[in-house]
Amino acid sequence: QTVVTQEPSFSVSPGGTVTLTCGLNSGSVSTTYYPSWYRQTPGQAPSTLIYNTETRSSGVPDRFSGSILGNKAALTIAGAQADDESDYYCMVYMGNGLWVFGGGTKVTVL
Amino acid sequence: EVQLVESGGGLVQPGGSLRLSCAASGFIFSDYFIEWVRQAPGKGLEWVGRSRTKDASYITDYAASVRGRYTISRDYLQNSLYLQMNSLKTEDTAVYYCVRESEGGKRFWGQGSLVTVSS
Repeated sequence: QTVVTQEPSFSVSPGGTVTLTCGLNSGSVSTTYYPSWYRQTPGQAPSTLIYNTETRSSGVPDRFSGSILGNKAALTIAGAQADDESDYYCMVYMGNGLWVFGGGTKVTVL
Repeated sequence: EVQLVESGGGLVQPGGSLRLSCAASGFIFSDYFIEWVRQAPGKGLEWVGRSRTKDASYITDYAASVRGRYTISRDYLQNSLYLQMNSLKTEDTAVYYCVRESEGGKRFWGQGSLVTVSS
């Protein structure tokens, strides 16, 4: 069974840069997996940050960027701010109509 | 304005059934993939399944964890999506989100409906 992997947690200093990754337990994530990234704060529904590997959703600041790094999808947050503290989820398309989420990364800014 | 409003959640006993509804507005319903995503208390997101577009004959796809127990359907006259959940288990307890998907992962989320499976 394919598992989508994410770091469980990350800490970043205010103004710093952090890169979250999204991989597979077997194989590599490429653009054909349409990796996307979502952000969720406690008690709220998720919202889209990045879709189709690197396209920012409307209203998302350009501090957030998506890419492929090596064999994984990546979300980079530059110039981290206090309100970037959230859970971040990646999602990939596995083919045959199926999508799978990663386990999520809790980002702390301190 | 795009809106997705879920309803129908509540408490159900193990082995029971429940049907969730999602009322869509603000966009052409037949042109979009519409999905169900769930989140168990304190856990991550899990993709449940989807209804494809009219051009794709509204074909449905399901995660392995719910295939054979859950059924997704559309009422295109009512602009509504449904999730019929049968043979419910305690591990199906979650907030269920209705989600519009497009352009390779661009998703718009409803606010969710809580389903609790407990005796």
